[in-house]
Amino acid sequence: EVQLVESGGGLVQPGGSLRLSCKASGFTLNTYDMTWVRQAPGKGLEWVSTVSRSGDITYYADSVKGRFTISRDISKNTLYLQMNTLRGDDTAVYYCAKGQFGSGYPSSFGGLDVWGQGTTVSVSS
Amino acid sequence: DIQMTQSPLSLAASVGDRVTITCRTSQMISSYLNWYRQRPGKAPELLIYTTSSLRTGVPSRFRGSGSGTDFTLTIDSLQAEDFAIYYCQQSHLTPWTFGQGTKVEIK
Repeated sequence: EVQLVESGGGLVQPGGSLRLSCKASGFTLNTYDMTWVRQAPGKGLEWVSTVSRSGDITYYADSVKGRFTISRDISKNTLYLQMNTLRGDDTAVYYCAKGQFGSGYPSSFGGLDVWGQGTTVSVSS
Repeated sequence: DIQMTQSPLSLAASVGDRVTITCRTSQMISSYLNWYRQRPGKAPELLIYTTSSLRTGVPSRFRGSGSGTDFTLTIDSLQAEDFAIYYCQQSHLTPWTFGQGTKVEIK
């Protein structure tokens, strides 16, 4: 069964750091693009970052560029989101999600077909 | 950035009704338009990708259509599990963007 399980969320003070993890099972991370999406309390979905299946191309929302870093460890089949210089508006549920199609398809094709359950990040003093 | 405008933002319907949700994009997106359903307290679920392709396992009562900058999600014969929030998303260009969401409530 294809599954994603996030962890690492918690309460952190403004200016602090946190690293989110997303453990994948049922597939290997180097086969699909992987994405982080967040949802602030009571708000809609916001795309945060995507890493290509090859791992060499990363994309970031302007709101997190320079503060967040997406990465992966293929040996652990785990996706990460390193979040530094956290701000109050980073408070959200963070989801990792898998691109539906692998090699042979562009990143833009297919949508995000498997999502984790989400991990909550709260930034507050 | 490509702006996504969904309408309506909320609607009330009954089980068995047909529901239509519209998504307008601020520029052409080459059909890279996806639809998700998010039930309360749950992660989003992919329903439709690339405008009109039904994801495997999704009931056929969900239909996507559109072109250019105007796209539509239609739910034929609304079921109890369809009372949720629906989001459109463009994956044509980064930053990928989502619509504001349309909340479908029970009448």
